[in-house]
Amino acid sequence: AQTVTQSQPEMSVQEAETVTLSCTYDTSESDYYLFWYKQPPSRQMILVIRQEAYKQQNATENRFSVNFQKAAKSFSLKISDSQLGDAAMYFCAYRSASHGSGNTGKLIFGQGTTLQVKP
Amino acid sequence: KAGVTQTPRYLIKTRGQQVTLSCSPISGHRSVSWYQQTPGQGLQFLFEYFSETQRNKGNFPGRFSGRQFSNSRSEMNVSTLELGDSALYLCASSLIGGRETQYFGPGTRLLVL
Repeated sequence: AQTVTQSQPEMSVQEAETVTLSCTYDTSESDYYLFWYKQPPSRQMILVIRQEAYKQQNATENRFSVNFQKAAKSFSLKISDSQLGDAAMYFCAYRSASHGSGNTGKLIFGQGTTLQVKP
Repeated sequence: KAGVTQTPRYLIKTRGQQVTLSCSPISGHRSVSWYQQTPGQGLQFLFEYFSETQRNKGNFPGRFSGRQFSNSRSEMNVSTLELGDSALYLCASSLIGGRETQYFGPGTRLLVL
């Protein structure tokens, strides 16, 4: 079974600075997807960034980028030029690319990291 | 396009009652997944529906059930509510539940007294 681990329950960063959130995962599969979702106090889960495991290039989305290390099963999120609106809980999630019946529509989440942004 | 909508947003029930939550996916999306979020257990997958059929199910008791209608709207039902069922219930939709991204609704917060 696949697992996702976020070892940092809480992080804080000064506004305009850079912060990195860590995520490790365990899987025996070679084809999968990894995601970072953001959940602000409103509780709406918002997609931040997505990475396909078969792609060597790290995904980027404006101020958000990932460091995907497939061999190490590591998937960290870097937020540059942090803004007050970035304060939220961040979840790392795994999705199998297999079409097996136990995989469809299922995301496996880490426990989350609460990010505080200080003005 | 309108996003995923969930109704109601908040619900208070007492132990032993049953509850039905509704989820309308993004237009054109045919896969709907449900998740339970609690402080202790985090986000856990409940089940996924596609074309009115349950395709995948998480490790939850039979008190948790769901269905999907021909317009892809989905409902989940929890019978004989327990205090531990208090949680945020999130639904997410995607085109066919395969490799594409899931988009989440705002959730329904259920409190069981």
